[in-house]
Amino acid sequence: GESVGLHLPTLSVQEGDNSIINCAYSNSASDYFIWYKQESGKGPQFIIDIRSNMDKRQGQRVTVLLNKTVKHLSLQIAATQPGDSAVYFCAENPSQAGTALIFGKGTTLSVSS
Amino acid sequence: KAGVTQTPRYLIKTRGQQVTLSCSPISGHRSVSWYQQTPGQGLQFLFEYFSETQRNKGNFPGRFSGRQFSNSRSEMNVSTLELGDSALYLCASSKGQTVNTEAFFGQGTRLTVV
Repeated sequence: GESVGLHLPTLSVQEGDNSIINCAYSNSASDYFIWYKQESGKGPQFIIDIRSNMDKRQGQRVTVLLNKTVKHLSLQIAATQPGDSAVYFCAENPSQAGTALIFGKGTTLSVSS
Repeated sequence: KAGVTQTPRYLIKTRGQQVTLSCSPISGHRSVSWYQQTPGQGLQFLFEYFSETQRNKGNFPGRFSGRQFSNSRSEMNVSTLELGDSALYLCASSKGQTVNTEAFFGQGTRLTVV
Protein backbone atom coordinates (compact mmCIF):
# COMPACT_ATOMS: atom_id res chain seq x y z
CA GLY A 1 0.00 0.00 0.00
CA GLU A 2 1.01 3.61 -0.19
CA SER A 3 2.86 4.98 2.79
CA VAL A 4 5.20 7.67 3.90
CA GLY A 5 8.83 6.68 4.12
CA LEU A 6 12.01 8.20 5.49
CA HIS A 7 15.41 8.17 3.88
CA LEU A 8 17.55 7.54 6.96
CA PRO A 9 16.69 5.62 10.12
CA THR A 10 19.33 7.47 12.16
CA LEU A 11 21.03 10.85 12.10
CA SER A 12 23.83 11.95 14.39
CA VAL A 13 24.82 15.61 14.68
CA GLN A 14 26.85 17.86 16.94
CA GLU A 15 25.21 20.43 19.16
CA GLY A 16 24.83 23.70 17.30
CA ASP A 17 24.73 22.10 13.86
CA ASN A 18 21.71 22.32 11.61
CA SER A 19 19.84 19.05 11.11
CA ILE A 20 17.88 17.99 8.06
CA ILE A 21 15.50 15.06 8.25
CA ASN A 22 14.01 13.83 5.00
CA CYS A 23 10.84 12.03 4.12
CA ALA A 24 9.39 10.72 0.87
CA TYR A 25 5.69 10.21 0.37
CA SER A 26 3.92 8.37 -2.38
CA ASN A 27 0.25 9.31 -2.08
CA SER A 28 -0.37 12.14 -4.53
CA ALA A 29 -3.78 12.69 -2.90
CA SER A 30 -2.15 13.80 0.35
CA ASP A 31 -2.66 17.48 0.94
CA TYR A 32 -1.59 17.90 4.55
CA PHE A 33 1.63 16.90 6.25
CA ILE A 34 2.82 16.96 9.84
CA TRP A 35 6.13 16.43 11.56
CA TYR A 36 6.10 14.84 15.01
CA LYS A 37 8.80 14.38 17.62
CA GLN A 38 8.62 11.40 19.95
CA GLU A 39 10.77 11.10 23.03
CA SER A 40 11.23 7.83 24.84
CA GLY A 41 8.14 6.87 26.84
CA LYS A 42 6.02 9.69 25.44
CA GLY A 43 3.45 10.14 22.73
CA PRO A 44 4.29 11.99 19.50
CA GLN A 45 4.54 15.74 19.93
CA PHE A 46 3.33 18.03 17.16
CA ILE A 47 6.17 20.11 15.71
CA ILE A 48 4.94 21.77 12.54
CA ASP A 49 2.54 21.18 9.70
CA ILE A 50 2.24 22.24 6.09
CA ARG A 51 -0.53 22.15 3.54
CA SER A 52 -0.04 21.20 -0.08
CA ASN A 53 -0.65 24.74 -1.30
CA MET A 54 2.59 25.80 0.38
CA ASP A 55 6.20 24.80 -0.22
CA LYS A 56 7.76 26.17 2.94
CA ARG A 57 6.71 26.95 6.47
CA GLN A 58 8.78 28.18 9.36
CA GLY A 59 8.37 27.76 13.06
CA GLN A 60 10.61 28.36 16.02
CA ARG A 61 13.99 26.89 14.96
CA VAL A 62 12.24 24.55 12.55
CA THR A 63 11.41 24.78 8.86
CA VAL A 64 9.41 22.33 6.80
CA LEU A 65 9.90 22.15 3.05
CA LEU A 66 7.49 20.43 0.69
CA ASN A 67 8.37 19.48 -2.86
CA LYS A 68 5.25 18.08 -4.48
CA THR A 69 6.99 17.43 -7.78
CA VAL A 70 9.16 14.72 -6.28
CA LYS A 71 6.88 14.00 -3.30
CA HIS A 72 9.49 14.98 -0.76
CA LEU A 73 9.19 16.53 2.66
CA SER A 74 11.99 17.71 4.91
CA LEU A 75 12.36 19.08 8.41
CA GLN A 76 15.21 21.44 9.13
CA ILE A 77 16.20 22.10 12.73
CA ALA A 78 18.46 25.07 13.29
CA ALA A 79 21.13 25.09 16.00
CA THR A 80 20.31 21.56 17.12
CA GLN A 81 20.33 21.04 20.88
CA PRO A 82 20.67 17.87 23.00
CA GLY A 83 17.00 18.23 23.89
CA ASP A 84 16.18 17.71 20.22
CA SER A 85 17.33 14.10 20.49
CA ALA A 86 14.28 11.99 19.71
CA VAL A 87 12.57 10.02 16.95
CA TYR A 88 11.06 12.22 14.25
CA PHE A 89 8.12 11.09 12.16
CA CYS A 90 6.57 12.63 9.12
CA ALA A 91 2.91 11.94 8.56
CA GLU A 92 0.64 12.54 5.61
CA ASN A 93 -3.10 12.98 5.48
CA PRO A 94 -4.73 11.87 2.24
CA SER A 95 -7.56 14.25 1.52
CA GLN A 96 -10.15 11.48 1.46
CA ALA A 97 -9.08 9.94 4.78
CA GLY A 98 -10.69 12.24 7.33
CA THR A 99 -8.07 13.08 9.94
CA ALA A 100 -6.35 9.68 9.58
CA LEU A 101 -2.59 10.03 9.31
CA ILE A 102 -0.15 7.73 7.55
CA PHE A 103 3.19 7.71 9.31
CA GLY A 104 6.68 7.04 8.11
CA LYS A 105 9.03 4.75 9.99
CA GLY A 106 10.86 7.52 11.80
CA THR A 107 14.35 8.93 12.01
CA THR A 108 16.25 8.80 15.29
CA LEU A 109 18.14 12.05 15.81
CA SER A 110 21.08 11.90 18.22
CA VAL A 111 22.68 15.17 19.28
CA SER A 112 26.05 15.07 20.98
CA SER A 113 27.49 17.97 22.92
CA LYS B 1 -5.45 23.69 28.81
CA ALA B 2 -5.25 19.97 29.59
CA GLY B 3 -3.82 17.72 26.92
CA VAL B 4 -5.01 14.34 25.71
CA THR B 5 -5.34 11.91 28.61
CA GLN B 6 -5.10 8.17 28.18
CA THR B 7 -5.77 5.59 30.85
CA PRO B 8 -4.37 3.33 32.00
CA ARG B 9 -0.71 4.03 31.18
CA TYR B 10 0.33 0.40 31.49
CA LEU B 11 -1.59 -2.83 31.21
CA ILE B 12 -0.68 -6.51 31.28
CA LYS B 13 -3.20 -9.01 29.96
CA THR B 14 -3.27 -12.70 29.15
CA ARG B 15 -3.87 -14.14 25.70
CA GLY B 16 -7.57 -14.58 25.04
CA GLN B 17 -8.66 -11.82 27.38
CA GLN B 18 -10.17 -8.55 26.29
CA VAL B 19 -9.11 -5.02 27.15
CA THR B 20 -10.64 -1.56 27.11
CA LEU B 21 -8.54 1.59 26.80
CA SER B 22 -9.77 5.09 27.43
CA CYS B 23 -8.99 8.46 25.88
CA SER B 24 -10.14 11.92 26.93
CA PRO B 25 -9.47 14.47 24.17
CA ILE B 26 -8.54 18.10 24.55
CA SER B 27 -11.52 20.17 25.57
CA GLY B 28 -13.42 21.32 22.49
CA HIS B 29 -11.94 18.65 20.24
CA ARG B 30 -14.52 16.39 18.66
CA SER B 31 -12.34 14.03 16.65
CA VAL B 32 -10.50 11.15 18.29
CA SER B 33 -8.20 8.81 16.40
CA TRP B 34 -6.49 5.68 17.64
CA TYR B 35 -3.11 4.35 16.55
CA GLN B 36 -1.08 1.27 17.31
CA GLN B 37 2.69 1.65 17.59
CA THR B 38 5.05 -1.33 17.44
CA PRO B 39 8.79 -1.51 16.70
CA GLY B 40 8.15 -3.57 13.59
CA GLN B 41 5.19 -1.81 12.02
CA GLY B 42 5.60 1.70 13.38
CA LEU B 43 2.54 3.87 13.86
CA GLN B 44 -0.58 2.46 12.24
CA PHE B 45 -4.01 4.04 12.10
CA LEU B 46 -6.79 2.04 13.76
CA PHE B 47 -9.91 4.21 13.51
CA GLU B 48 -11.27 7.70 13.93
CA TYR B 49 -14.41 8.92 15.63
CA PHE B 50 -16.12 12.25 15.18
CA SER B 51 -19.32 13.22 16.96
CA GLU B 52 -19.87 9.65 18.16
CA THR B 53 -19.60 8.19 14.65
CA GLN B 54 -16.77 6.18 13.20
CA ARG B 55 -15.58 8.29 10.29
CA ASN B 56 -12.63 6.24 9.14
CA LYS B 57 -11.15 2.81 9.78
CA GLY B 58 -7.73 1.32 9.23
CA ASN B 59 -6.78 -2.18 8.21
CA PHE B 60 -7.16 -4.06 11.49
CA PRO B 61 -9.24 -7.15 12.29
CA GLY B 62 -12.69 -6.89 13.80
CA ARG B 63 -11.27 -7.73 17.23
CA PHE B 64 -10.36 -4.06 17.41
CA SER B 65 -13.32 -1.81 18.00
CA GLY B 66 -14.05 1.58 19.44
CA ARG B 67 -16.69 4.04 20.37
CA GLN B 68 -17.08 7.67 21.24
CA PHE B 69 -19.35 9.21 23.79
CA SER B 70 -21.33 12.44 23.66
CA ASN B 71 -18.61 14.24 25.65
CA SER B 72 -16.08 13.18 22.95
CA ARG B 73 -14.31 10.74 25.24
CA SER B 74 -13.43 7.56 23.42
CA GLU B 75 -12.73 3.96 24.26
CA MET B 76 -11.16 1.23 22.24
CA ASN B 77 -11.62 -2.44 22.89
CA VAL B 78 -9.54 -5.40 21.82
CA SER B 79 -11.11 -8.82 22.23
CA THR B 80 -9.44 -12.23 22.24
CA LEU B 81 -6.01 -10.74 22.77
CA GLU B 82 -3.03 -12.16 20.91
CA LEU B 83 0.64 -11.83 21.73
CA GLY B 84 1.04 -9.64 18.65
CA ASP B 85 -1.34 -7.09 20.10
CA SER B 86 1.38 -6.01 22.52
CA ALA B 87 2.01 -2.40 21.57
CA LEU B 88 1.75 1.22 22.55
CA TYR B 89 -1.78 2.41 21.80
CA LEU B 90 -1.99 6.11 21.12
CA CYS B 91 -4.95 8.39 20.95
CA ALA B 92 -4.95 11.68 19.08
CA SER B 93 -7.50 14.44 19.26
CA SER B 94 -8.24 17.25 16.86
CA LYS B 95 -10.97 19.80 16.32
CA GLY B 96 -12.03 17.74 13.36
CA GLN B 97 -14.46 20.29 12.00
CA THR B 98 -12.72 19.94 8.69
CA VAL B 99 -10.03 17.61 7.54
CA ASN B 100 -6.40 18.63 7.79
CA THR B 101 -6.25 19.95 11.30
CA GLU B 102 -3.57 19.55 13.91
CA ALA B 103 -3.74 16.27 15.79
CA PHE B 104 -2.37 16.08 19.33
CA PHE B 105 -1.38 12.80 20.92
CA GLY B 106 -1.67 11.46 24.43
CA GLN B 107 1.09 9.59 26.27
CA GLY B 108 -0.31 6.26 25.18
CA THR B 109 -1.25 3.01 26.90
CA ARG B 110 1.45 0.35 26.90
CA LEU B 111 -0.32 -3.00 26.51
CA THR B 112 1.61 -6.20 27.12
CA VAL B 113 -0.04 -9.51 26.28
CA VAL B 114 1.49 -12.57 27.94
